Amino acid sequence: AQSVTQLGSHVSVSEGALVLLRCNYSSSVPPYLFWYVQYPNQGLQLLLKYTSAATLVKGINGFEAEFKKSETSFHLTKPSAHMSDAAEYFCAVSAGGGNKLTFGTGTQLKVEL
Amino acid sequence: ETGVTQTPRHLVMGMTNKKSLKCEQHLGHNAMYWYKQSAKKPLELMFVYNFKEQTENNSVPSRFSPECPNSSHLFLHLHTLQPEDSALYLCASSQDHQNKNIQYFGAGTRLSVL
Repeated sequence: AQSVTQLGSHVSVSEGALVLLRCNYSSSVPPYLFWYVQYPNQGLQLLLKYTSAATLVKGINGFEAEFKKSETSFHLTKPSAHMSDAAEYFCAVSAGGGNKLTFGTGTQLKVEL
Repeated sequence: ETGVTQTPRHLVMGMTNKKSLKCEQHLGHNAMYWYKQSAKKPLELMFVYNFKEQTENNSVPSRFSPECPNSSHLFLHLHTLQPEDSALYLCASSQDHQNKNIQYFGAGTRLSVL
């Protein structure tokens, strides 16, 4: 069985501030982990993925995430928020067979001037 | 543009109607997926097809009927839906059904059942 918990359904930051979106996972086998972003009226777009190579993963738009097995975490960060980062962010896990993604409930990021 | 196209983008239907959602991918992928996205709930995987064969039905009610005529096209046939079926329906595709493969999503069909 696999699951994802995203802490904080809404996060608000100032433009230029650090973005930290939290994700904890549960998996009985080594997982693959993903972060997706969804802009209004659009589908999900991949930001980055962890597939058992480097634990620090860099993605698009300046985002990165670190896989920490001891903490079962895969938090998403960006050093400096931009207005265009306002969107909903989803953490997802895939483990076992069949590429069945299990998503968290999402975190809505708001960026303020 | 992700290479996955869904039509229509919006659909309003009555509970006695029959309609179909269409998904087409231009990525040469062999696996396709239907997800349901409801407000305040995580995305729910509904169906998985791998090389045109259904490999997953996540206890979806029979009023939803998927069809995958080839690796590029996926349909979701709808009949006698309920108001609680109103949601955003997302289609995705991936190279195949290995866990490491990225799923590419379409923009979704916003369905309202009256």
